[in-house]
Amino acid sequence: KAGVTQTPRYLIKTRGQQVTLSCSPISGHRSVSWYQQTPGQGLQFLFEYFSETQRNKGNFPGRFSGRQFSNSRSEMNVSTLELGDSALYLCASSLSPRGGLETQYFGPGTRLLVL
Amino acid sequence: DQQVKQNSPSLSVQEGRISILNCDYTNSMFDYFLWYKKYPAEGPTFLISISSIKDKNEDGRFTVFLNKSAKHLSLHIVPSQPGDSAVYFCAASAQGGSEKLVFGKGTKLTVNP
Repeated sequence: KAGVTQTPRYLIKTRGQQVTLSCSPISGHRSVSWYQQTPGQGLQFLFEYFSETQRNKGNFPGRFSGRQFSNSRSEMNVSTLELGDSALYLCASSLSPRGGLETQYFGPGTRLLVL
Repeated sequence: DQQVKQNSPSLSVQEGRISILNCDYTNSMFDYFLWYKKYPAEGPTFLISISSIKDKNEDGRFTVFLNKSAKHLSLHIVPSQPGDSAVYFCAASAQGGSEKLVFGKGTKLTVNP
């Protein structure tokens, strides 16, 4: 069974631009969560989607948004990029939000660098 | 406000010895705790978990201890192996694990041969 895939793996943008990151969950998984990892803050929860609905949201500004499609694939968008948005963005999928956190599998992440 | 704290950014131990990674939390609503291991260029992988109804959970070389009164948990790795060298994240959730995960900043473990 293929794991969680994220595209692109690396991305370089400049301040003010916007970016869209993609996540394909494990086949059959319907819940997708996004996290931001930075050296200073560690892993921080961005949002969670289940059945195309945002179920949970972290403390990030409105520039960060996401969506989930009917095939459970998810995208996150960051508009008006700032230098501080440089981070590793991780996507994790699970069968359902209540499927047990042990069954949440992470993708390799997208490394975003904002210049 | 950091609700989950891993105060040691790094830890170095000799192969065969015990590795002890510590984690403190402030939110008394947390009742489910997990440890993840992360290698460079890979996503975190689940290692072991513990519910607040227990004070110990063991899986092979890995044991997690929970001290609810102190709001403290620790991960013990015995014996440590060079392949255990990675960043370890402590994470917590409320509502029996159905709420979002809150992660610590991680501890980089290096096991020297």
